[in-house]
Amino acid sequence: DAGVTQSPTHLIKTRGQHVTLRCSPISGHKSVSWYQQVLGQGPQFIFQYYEKEERGRGNFPDRFSARQFPNYSSELNVNALLLGDSALYLCASSLEASHEQFFGPGTRLTVL
Amino acid sequence: AQSVSQHNHHVILSEAASLELGCNYSYGGTVNLFWYVQYPGQHLQLLLKYFSGDPLVKGIKGFEAEFIKSKFSFNLRKPSVQWSDTAEYFCAGETDKLIFGTGTRLQVFP
Repeated sequence: DAGVTQSPTHLIKTRGQHVTLRCSPISGHKSVSWYQQVLGQGPQFIFQYYEKEERGRGNFPDRFSARQFPNYSSELNVNALLLGDSALYLCASSLEASHEQFFGPGTRLTVL
Repeated sequence: AQSVSQHNHHVILSEAASLELGCNYSYGGTVNLFWYVQYPGQHLQLLLKYFSGDPLVKGIKGFEAEFIKSKFSFNLRKPSVQWSDTAEYFCAGETDKLIFGTGTRLQVFP
């Protein structure tokens, strides 16, 4: 079975631009969570979606938004990119909202 | 505020040495605890988890962790490390969201 997949693998943007990151959960998983991992730090929680509804939000500005589609895939959008948004963005899926999370390989975003 | 702290940022060991990585959490109430591992070039993988019950939890690849409620700790242990254990290790706690520690980089030399 395929694990969590994310696209693109790498992305380079300039300050002020907008970016969309995509995530496909493991088949049958209804919950998707997004994390930001800055170099040298642990992942930080951004959002959790369950059954297409936002279930939790971390301490990130409104420039960050997300949504979940009927097939349970998800997008993370970041507007007005800043240099500090450069990070590895991780997606994780779980069967239900409070179950073990399985992580994808991440999208490496570089903002110049 | 909920938080997870890992005291060892970088640990260097020789093969066959014993390993203990510290993890402390600050949560009120019930918390689920996890250890994740990130091997070089690979994605985060779950090593072990504690939800309730026996406080000594056994995970994959010979790792174990002990939940000590009185000390708010969930330390990771392995009696004899291998070169292939070289990786970044993250402790995490969960109530309504998963919170990670800053990670411990483990290097094992042959």
